[in-house]
Amino acid sequence: DQQVKQNSPSLSVQEGRISILNCDYTNSMFDYFLWYKKYPAEGPTFLISISSIKDKNEDGRFTVFLNKSAKHLSLHIVPSQPGDSAVYFCAALNRDDKIIFGKGTRLHILP
Amino acid sequence: KAGVTQTPRYLIKTRGQQVTLSCSPISGHRSVSWYQQTPGQGLQFLFEYFSETQRNKGNFPGRFSGRQFSNSRSEMNVSTLELGDSALYLCASSFLTGANSPLHFGNGTRLTVT
Repeated sequence: DQQVKQNSPSLSVQEGRISILNCDYTNSMFDYFLWYKKYPAEGPTFLISISSIKDKNEDGRFTVFLNKSAKHLSLHIVPSQPGDSAVYFCAALNRDDKIIFGKGTRLHILP
Repeated sequence: KAGVTQTPRYLIKTRGQQVTLSCSPISGHRSVSWYQQTPGQGLQFLFEYFSETQRNKGNFPGRFSGRQFSNSRSEMNVSTLELGDSALYLCASSFLTGANSPLHFGNGTRLTVT
């Protein structure tokens, strides 16, 4: 039973355009969501997070939107840069602080 | 400040053997958690330790175990290895637990079981 779903295994976006990565969840008890970015041969690095009491959080080129009624969140990267090419993991924390990750979306930024 | 260090980087074992992986957290971090990454399943949570106590456990069989020492360093052990245990094992540390303490990951140990 996959509680955090990233339905797009990969995504290609032109450099300079907006990248939108999507994530759906099934458990309404999740109260915190995070995005991590992973390059090959490295561990994931924390990117941005959002509390369930908010619907938007912004940090530079990265914005995360949360739609609680749809149990959906998205990560927007504007403008996309070559260094953004990586695997992005969506993650959710439940009230026991147990973290559940999605399977990841591989983002390719095209020149 | 040194990052999270995992040793070894690569391991090759045969079925039935056991393996121990090591993780040194960032200095001052008291929480250490372990994850298994496979192509089909993404990142799956194994367990989390805080101040030498297991706080949370994922849905893995009892062959997977761990511990944390008083200096916050952690080890993970897998006994009776199976082919399906081949994966990248990632360790992460954080200052505290929960939402306000993002995870800092090591580069992982790639385990191959033949």
